[in-house]
Amino acid sequence: DSGVTQTPKHLITATGQRVTLRCSPRSGDLSVYWYQQSLDQGLQFLIQYYNGEERAKGNILERFSAQQFPDLHSELNLSSLELGDSALYFCASSPRAGGPVETQYFGPGTRLLVL
Amino acid sequence: AQSVTQLGSHVSVSEGALVLLRCNYSSSVPPYLFWYVQYPNQGLQLLLKYTTGATLVKGINGFEAEFKKSETSFHLTKPSAHMSDAAEYFCAVSGETSGSRLTFGEGTQLTVNP
Repeated sequence: DSGVTQTPKHLITATGQRVTLRCSPRSGDLSVYWYQQSLDQGLQFLIQYYNGEERAKGNILERFSAQQFPDLHSELNLSSLELGDSALYFCASSPRAGGPVETQYFGPGTRLLVL
Repeated sequence: AQSVTQLGSHVSVSEGALVLLRCNYSSSVPPYLFWYVQYPNQGLQLLLKYTTGATLVKGINGFEAEFKKSETSFHLTKPSAHMSDAAEYFCAVSGETSGSRLTFGEGTQLTVNP
């Protein structure tokens, strides 16, 4: 158990809908990262927040957005969902602002199925 | 830009045999390299990482990896496979220019046969 929690574990929804995925980082960690794992794209970095501010951005679609709240939990909002958005979404956290050598601790993921 | 290539999407070994999972990287800056393991229905867990210094890195569960700059490789090994090692393994790279962004390989599914 990494100490990172994600809810819900599974989510089934329809195309065109909007969902929110939630992540609670390890106690004391200030950075939160979101990754998408899909069959065709593999594991891809989406976005990082550090202490409430966006820190780095990866291959995140404009239909997706994220935020980190004062209590450091984070939410990933996915809107206008398409079939291709079906994937496993991971959240990870790290103690500080990140950096190339800082270890990221991954949660168990939220499996999203868009029908 | 940085990338990693994992050779072999599926590797099968017998229990007690050597495990060798291959990872080659491409990076325009000195790379930092990671191996993560993903057990079924779980998140990724860090096995080991190379930053600087000693090129042979020891990790958890008896795994180790050697950074070979001349071969741009960071292969993962374990002398004797155990049934509990069955999982998917990911190699990842970061660097000073990529910040905290991890770029992952495609993953290698390891099967351990009794």
